Amino acid sequence: EAGVAQSPRYKIIEKRQSVAFWCNPISGHATLYWYQQILGQGPKLLIQFQNNGVVDDSQLPKDRFSAERLKGVDSTLKIQPAKLEDSAVYLCASSATDGSSYEQYFGPGTRLTVT
Amino acid sequence: AQRVTQPEKLLSVFKGAPVELKCNYSYSGSPELFWYVQYSRQRLQLLLRHISRESIKGFTADLNKGETSFHLKKPFAQEEDSAMYYCALRPGNTGKLIFGQGTTLQVKP
Repeated sequence: EAGVAQSPRYKIIEKRQSVAFWCNPISGHATLYWYQQILGQGPKLLIQFQNNGVVDDSQLPKDRFSAERLKGVDSTLKIQPAKLEDSAVYLCASSATDGSSYEQYFGPGTRLTVT
Repeated sequence: AQRVTQPEKLLSVFKGAPVELKCNYSYSGSPELFWYVQYSRQRLQLLLRHISRESIKGFTADLNKGETSFHLKKPFAQEEDSAMYYCALRPGNTGKLIFGQGTTLQVKP
């Protein structure tokens, strides 16, 4: 099966600019996650979608970050305006929620550098 | 507080030596724990989960609730085991994962 797709793979922007990342999960996977991974740290969940509804966005900095998953498939994560501390790898993951498996499949990530 | 701690940033061993990657967790409920691995230039992927009690690529991990630990072990390290390893906790019936900081395993020839 095709894996989780993300684009772009790399992005360099100046602080106060805006940026958007795109994720296409594995076909049929109802749950989609966005993680932020700062250099030297493990991934941290930003937001979790179940189909097109938000399950958990408790760690999403809502003053500058937004995410949507229209039609319950693809998702976009936006940062506006970006700060230097937003430099990180943004990982998208998906999982099938059939009650027996929560294995998350990760995309390649988008590396964001804010200068 | 829900937290995963991996005390070692880097673990360097020689090929054929035993490996133990440490993981401790903090969680008040019944935890579900995982080990994820990221090989060079590859995606983060699941290595094993505690409920499966399986051995993958020679690795095993036992959940010790008394010590709140989930250490990853392999009796004889191989060069292809060199990678970044993350321990992760899934709290309750949510899907989200709480990751540790990761440990880089370097297996020298």
